[in-house]
Amino acid sequence: DAGVIQSPRHEVTEMGQEVTLRCKPISGHDYLFWYRQTMMRGLELLIYFNNNVPIDDSGMPEDRFSAKMPNASFSTLKIQPSEPRDSAVYFCASSLGRREIDEQYFGPGTRLTVT
Amino acid sequence: GQQVMQIPQYQHVQEGEDFTTYCNSSTTLSNIQWYKQRPGGHPVFLIQLVKSGEVKKQKRLTFQFGEAKKNSSLHITATQTTDVGTYFCAGPAFNFGNEKLTFGTGTRLTIIP
Repeated sequence: DAGVIQSPRHEVTEMGQEVTLRCKPISGHDYLFWYRQTMMRGLELLIYFNNNVPIDDSGMPEDRFSAKMPNASFSTLKIQPSEPRDSAVYFCASSLGRREIDEQYFGPGTRLTVT
Repeated sequence: GQQVMQIPQYQHVQEGEDFTTYCNSSTTLSNIQWYKQRPGGHPVFLIQLVKSGEVKKQKRLTFQFGEAKKNSSLHITATQTTDVGTYFCAGPAFNFGNEKLTFGTGTRLTIIP
């Protein structure tokens, strides 16, 4: 299995531009998670899906952030408009969801820089 | 809200020395997981602990879950350069199922050759 796939791996954009991050979870995994990692705030969960349905988006910073999962093999995280404080590494992770306790498999991340 | 703290935040050790990171949760946990993130990499699952007082070993790594299930520790014996990275504990988020994790603040380990 190729693991969790994220694109792009690096993104540099100017303040005010729209940014779209993409994720392909491991095939057969029911859960998909979006995290943001910064030095100041550590690893934060933004939103997660179960079988393509958003379950908890309480970690989404503000209305500028939105996430979708149109099918079991694809999810997007969009920031519009982007701001310099959004600069971070964004990870997508997936888990099987069939057992009581499942580990999460993380993608390589997208390093976002907003200038 | 639920907090999962780790100490120390940073640890620099000579190669061959031992290393320990401690994880403390503000709430009782049904289980705890540990992840390792290499510099520039992504978190990778190491192990999960479920039972009160449980101890598990992976070669030079020893993981322990506290009796009250609110704390955990990871001990590395005779560190090697391959141990470099940030170690995170993670527990189920309060009032959610086991699928949603709250990650600890992490301990960054650097090795002096």
